[in-house]
Order: sequence, then C-alpha cells, then structure tokens
Amino acid sequence: DSGVTQTPKHLITATGQRVTLRCSPRSGDLSVYWYQQSLDQGLQFLIQYYNGEERAKGNILERFSAQQFPDLHSELNLSSLELGDSALYFCASSPYPQGNTGELFFGEGSRLTVL
Amino acid sequence: QQQVKQSPQSLIVQKGGISIINCAYENTAFDYFPWYQQFPGKGPALLIAIRPDVSEKKEGRFTISFNKSAKQFSLHIMDSQPGDSATYFCAAVIYNQGGKLIFGQGTELSVKP
Repeated sequence: DSGVTQTPKHLITATGQRVTLRCSPRSGDLSVYWYQQSLDQGLQFLIQYYNGEERAKGNILERFSAQQFPDLHSELNLSSLELGDSALYFCASSPYPQGNTGELFFGEGSRLTVL
Repeated sequence: QQQVKQSPQSLIVQKGGISIINCAYENTAFDYFPWYQQFPGKGPALLIAIRPDVSEKKEGRFTISFNKSAKQFSLHIMDSQPGDSATYFCAAVIYNQGGKLIFGQGTELSVKP
C-alpha cells in the first residue's frame, strides 16, 4: 500500500460528459502528480501541484484541469469526454517540490471508460 | 529527445532464468533513471534507480547496468520467479523537474514455473 488513495476506482460515462477524479496523497507529501496510462501512449505525465500551486504541466488537454486543495487532496476534472480519453488515471505523490530522483508513490488508479 | 525507448514489449522466462529489459534515451539532461514495477490492478512502484555516473547497481536479484556513452541502460532480474511476473517500466527524470518522469512503453514479463 503506497498510502496514496484514489477514488473512484472505476468510472463509466458517456461522450460529452464531465467527471472528477480524486486523490489523497501520502501523509506529509506536498506534491501531487497526475499521470495517464493508455495502451497506445503508455504512461504520460499530465500535471504537478505543490502545496496548492501548479508546478509543472505535461501533455494535458485543455479539456482537462486539476487543482490541489488546502488539505492537499487533488482533483482532476475531465470534461467534454471523448472515446480516446478512456484510460487509467494515476495520482502520485512525493514530499519534494522539484528536486526528485524519480521516486514517486502511485495510487492504484481510476479506470475511466467513455462509451 | 524526451523519449525513452524500451524493449522487448513482452518477455517470457522460465523460473530460475535471467530476465533482461533494455532501454535507451537521447536527452543527456536526464540525471536519474528509475525502474518501476506494476502488477495488474495496481499502480507502478519504484523498484530501483541509478545515476548515470554509476555503471551498475544491484539490489537483491535486481541489477541495473548503465552505459552512459551508448545512452542505454538495462534491468537484469536474476533467478526470475513467478512472483516477478509484472509489467516493468524504465523511466528518466531531470532532477530539478521533480516528478516529471518520462516512461518507456513497458515490458510485460511472464515467468513460467
């Protein structure tokens, strides 16, 4: 158990809809990262927050947004969903704002299916 | 330049054998190279990591070999066990870019009894 909690574990929705994925980082970790895992694209970095502020952005679509709240939990909002958004979305956390040797603690993921 | 290429895509090894997974990168700015292990239904978990100034790092049955001049690195799993069956990802990171890991495409390892 990594200590990172993600909800929901599974989500099925229709094209055009909007969903929110939630992540609680490990106790004490201030950085939260979102990754997308799909069969064709592999694991792709989406976005990082540190203590409520956006720190880095990756291949995140404009239809997607995220935020980190004062209690450090984070939410990833996906809107105007398309079939291609079907994927596993992982949240990860670390205690560091930037400097990191690559050690992240991943949750078990939220599997999104868009029909 | 940000890519990390990983091979093979899948690997079947007999119990007790050696599993070898290879990765290559282009961006010389990368300064840490972690390997992650992912079991079905779980998130990736850090297995072992190496810096490019180290040619080899061993932790138990897992060894990373690093060839800086060739920009290649590999994971060796000695005495492979059925419990090692999982998907393995190599990754690269620039230290001051924190957790922005660039992952390889993954290798699905199956160790047969």
